[in-house]
Amino acid sequence: NAGVTQTPKFQVLKTGQSMTLQCAQDMNHEYMSWYRQDPGMGLRLIHYSVGAGITDQGEVPNGYNVSRSTTEDFPLRLLSAAPSQTSVYFCASSPQGPRMPQHFGDGTRLSIL
Amino acid sequence: QQPVQSPQAVILREGEDAVINCSSSKALYSVHWYRQKHGEAPVFLMILLKGGEQKGHEKISASFNEKKQQSSLYLTASQLSYSGTYFCGTEGGNTPLVFGKGTRLSVIA
Repeated sequence: NAGVTQTPKFQVLKTGQSMTLQCAQDMNHEYMSWYRQDPGMGLRLIHYSVGAGITDQGEVPNGYNVSRSTTEDFPLRLLSAAPSQTSVYFCASSPQGPRMPQHFGDGTRLSIL
Repeated sequence: QQPVQSPQAVILREGEDAVINCSSSKALYSVHWYRQKHGEAPVFLMILLKGGEQKGHEKISASFNEKKQQSSLYLTASQLSYSGTYFCGTEGGNTPLVFGKGTRLSVIA
């Protein structure tokens, strides 16, 4: 039982590069979300999805794109990386909506030079 | 939109009690509490739903006052294992789950 799997665990990018952070869950959860964590800022919501084919913006969506073509996968794309996007990124999922316990992945530590 | 947590940090000796508060300017339907150890992912502690119920989890309990849009997490007889950063998360019915900035709890011997 893998739960929520995030890849890669670590990544270093140069400014302007693009990349996709992967998130997959094997629990058939409908609700998935992406957060970024920066020192002193807590967990800030980037994008979320209530089910396959449906996505919406969170608190800090600029510079990020998401898609949800399957229930299992919810990738986060950085179109043109900026140093301000250096952060730890967490993916989370729950069976139905934000009113249920969120299962977090182990995170991706991203550094942009 | 982020809920406000207080205090930002607290240091306890083993066996002491602590209270962490969470408040929102918006009407709430549920409040979540999570604990995060350094370098790890947040781990779910409990959810409180609209209705003002109080929940308990061993020596950790929480209350939710929906009229004041506030929740409190109570840690009694703290243990070294309680150290970490505690986050509250809130949602208002048709809104996603958003988290506060966290409260860093350090328990020393």
